[in-house]
Amino acid sequence: GESVGLHLPTLSVQEGDNSIINCAYSNSASDYFIWYKQESGKGPQFIIDIRSNMDKRQGQRVTVLLNKTVKHLSLQIAATQPGDSAVYFCAEDGTGFQKLVFGTGTRLLVSP
Amino acid sequence: EPEVTQTPSHQVTQMGQEVILRCVPISNHLYFYWYRQILGQKVEFLVSFYNNEISEKSEIFDDQFSVERPDGSNFTLKIRSTKLEDSAMYFCASRGQGAATEAFFGQGTRLTVV
Repeated sequence: GESVGLHLPTLSVQEGDNSIINCAYSNSASDYFIWYKQESGKGPQFIIDIRSNMDKRQGQRVTVLLNKTVKHLSLQIAATQPGDSAVYFCAEDGTGFQKLVFGTGTRLLVSP
Repeated sequence: EPEVTQTPSHQVTQMGQEVILRCVPISNHLYFYWYRQILGQKVEFLVSFYNNEISEKSEIFDDQFSVERPDGSNFTLKIRSTKLEDSAMYFCASRGQGAATEAFFGQGTRLTVV
């Protein structure tokens, strides 16, 4: 069955460090991937997305890398700030507009 | 900036009671969703809705659940007879038209069944 999983449940970094959050997916038919940030008590907030015809996409301080060969997705956050502390979810969309399948989440803790 | 709004923010109900969770999706969006998140766990898909009908539902979305778009702006999730295990955050989301578009999520309704 399809599943999206994360390698590490918690990632602790120092302010200013670069953070890398990883995600593995199993549905090779997935063609669209999104990273969401969720702060305590709030809904998932879009960070960045990537389509399967790309292997890298950059935003402001964030980069998403997609390796379809090994079905791996990563989120890189440059110069991590305390405000980046949250749970980060990857999500895949293999069926068009039907649904997003979320991973289990990684908690990012940024120390000043 | 347009946003998905959900009401109430917190709902406490007794086991066996019916609850209706309400959502106002972004106005020009066409695809609507409900997800839930049990405390400390991942976000789980419940149901998707398009063109006034359910397009997909998960195994969680059993006969106790129903969705409705009663007018041009609201999208509701009804749980007919709540169980303790229905306690969770319920998120509404909507997406616009076009390939590879992100889903926008509301702030959620925390449902507590006692």
